Amino acid sequence: GEDVEQSLFLSVREGDSSVINCTYTDSSSTYLYWYKQEPGAGLQLLTYIFSNMDMKQDQRLTVLLNKKDKHLSLRIADTQTGDSAIYFCAESSDNTDKLIFGTGTRLQVFP
Amino acid sequence: DTGVSQDPRHKITKRGQNVTFRCDPISEHNRLYWYRQTLGQGPEFLTYFQNEAQLEKSRLLSDRFSAERPKGSFSTLEIQRTEQGDSAMYLCASSMTGATEAFFGQGTRLTVV
Repeated sequence: GEDVEQSLFLSVREGDSSVINCTYTDSSSTYLYWYKQEPGAGLQLLTYIFSNMDMKQDQRLTVLLNKKDKHLSLRIADTQTGDSAIYFCAESSDNTDKLIFGTGTRLQVFP
Repeated sequence: DTGVSQDPRHKITKRGQNVTFRCDPISEHNRLYWYRQTLGQGPEFLTYFQNEAQLEKSRLLSDRFSAERPKGSFSTLEIQRTEQGDSAMYLCASSMTGATEAFFGQGTRLTVV
């Protein structure tokens, strides 16, 4: 079945770059997503990448996709304390567009 | 447009009681999804509607769960005879067919005591 895995925790110093990693098993994934969840808030879509792309950059965010290894990463440049949250990787692979989420990576940014 | 709204935000119920949650999607969105998120986990897909038709249900959706979207606008999720294992955040999302982004509501947090 479909499975998406992430490391549970990442701690970085303010101003450094953060890299959050994700692996998935479904080779038919069409879109891969990164969502952010802050305490008491819903899920916010940060960025997504189509499966035929290798990289996508959006301001401080860079997404890298290695389709051969089924590995997705999110790099946040110049990480700020406001970036502290849980980050979820998700994939969709059929025409229902339902999302399969990872377990989430808690990013803690310290001054 | 105020986005996807869910009601109530919090619900505490005794085991064995029935509960119903409501989701109002973004008005022009024809797709509506329900997810469940337990503590420390990512959201898990429960069911999805296209207009008023319920097109897919997860194996997670036991026969105590029922969802409706009678007029293709708002949706309700009912849990009958609640169990402690039903305690979770229930998230609703909506999208347009073919769109790459689904918009999530803030969720209903259910606590079964």
